[in-house]
Amino acid sequence: DTAVSQTPKYLVTQMGNDKSIKCEQNLGHDTMYWYKQDSKKFLKIMFSYNNKELIINETVPNRFSPKSPDKAHLNLHINSLELGDSAVYFCASSQFRANYGYTFGSGTRLTVV
Amino acid sequence: KQEVTQIPAALSVPEGENLVLNCSFTDSAIYNLQWFRQDPGKGLTSLLLIQSSQREQTSGRLNASLDKSSGRSTLYIAASQPGDSATYLCAGDSGAGSYQLTFGKGTKLSVIP
Repeated sequence: DTAVSQTPKYLVTQMGNDKSIKCEQNLGHDTMYWYKQDSKKFLKIMFSYNNKELIINETVPNRFSPKSPDKAHLNLHINSLELGDSAVYFCASSQFRANYGYTFGSGTRLTVV
Repeated sequence: KQEVTQIPAALSVPEGENLVLNCSFTDSAIYNLQWFRQDPGKGLTSLLLIQSSQREQTSGRLNASLDKSSGRSTLYIAASQPGDSATYLCAGDSGAGSYQLTFGKGTKLSVIP
């Protein structure tokens, strides 16, 4: 019963390609997030969605386009991949204004060659 | 906007020692403070969540405290074991209206047998 699941776990692709990462949560949370962990292991928020509405877009290149078809899903599409996009991308979810904390997925390791 | 700092960046201790990891944050209107553990190449495991009305939480050998007035949280690990070796991440939000969890850069703990 994985709470927050991401696919794929690993993604190796060439520069210039377009790729997507999918995320699903079965916790009934109303808010979902994408975080990026860079080579120095620092976790930084990219996007947050509340009830399918984009709330936070943190100076992310517009090659990154999140999409939330419903409250339980948040996908990340990346166009024209660059070497600098190589990182681990984590999906997370939480219930807004509730004291339940955040739950993270296991991450997607993206390598652009 | 919340900023989170963790000291030290790395810590090496002999097995059996008790240790304290420190975390400081800038916005005292923090709503939730959460400690995570990350093993190399793995995802984030939530260890302890301290809610806004609480001052500490305990789970097994772990105890986390929160002092909102001083902007500090500590994670106490008793009787450390080699299996505790990992990176420990502190993260906090910025009040009930926040849509993001801000992370520190982590403390990499090594417990030497």
